[in-house]
Amino acid sequence: AQSVTQPDIHITVSEGASLELRCNYSYGATPYLFWYVQSPGQGLQLLLKYFSGDTLVQGIKGFEAEFKRSQSSFNLRKPSVHWSDAAEYFCAVGPQSNDYKLSFGAGTTVTVRA
Amino acid sequence: DTAVSQTPKYLVTQMGNDKSIKCEQNLGHDTMYWYKQDSKKFLKIMFSYNNKELIINETVPNRFSPKSPDKAHLNLHINSLELGDSAVYFCASSPTLGRSSTDTQYFGPGTRLTVL
Repeated sequence: AQSVTQPDIHITVSEGASLELRCNYSYGATPYLFWYVQSPGQGLQLLLKYFSGDTLVQGIKGFEAEFKRSQSSFNLRKPSVHWSDAAEYFCAVGPQSNDYKLSFGAGTTVTVRA
Repeated sequence: DTAVSQTPKYLVTQMGNDKSIKCEQNLGHDTMYWYKQDSKKFLKIMFSYNNKELIINETVPNRFSPKSPDKAHLNLHINSLELGDSAVYFCASSPTLGRSSTDTQYFGPGTRLTVL
């Protein structure tokens, strides 16, 4: 069964500093991978997704993620964080061809300090 | 021109009551979903409908009943509400069901349900 692990529950970063959020997945085939962001009191917004091809994926708001099959990882990065990036970030995997579910990680809370 | 909308945004009710949450998408998608986000922010799928047909029905109490009157709507009805039902419920939609490079799930703003 597919699953996602986000090892970091909470990350605090200074404004202007770089950010990296970790995501590890367990999946039986070539995974479809997603990063979503949830701002306080808001719904989930898609940041970026990986289906195939180039393993470095560019997303919205200056985010990028790199798919590393050998490490079963899909880490999210941003070179310079803005205060508005404070939010909850979710990594997700799926769906499989016979299981249409999207499985989410537990999320990482990002706090941005001035 | 909201893509996926939910009503109400907040719902506060007493234990034992019956309530409904409505979801509508104007994206022309075939597939719609309901997710539950608990107090620890863990997201878990509850139901999925494709062209008004139930596809995914996770281990959810039968007090929860989804209803899809048409492709653009997926409502969630909850009977005999319990304290443990307090959560944020998200509706989502995607173009089709399954694995396709265009299949991305778009989420609504959520409905925060509080059961007293």
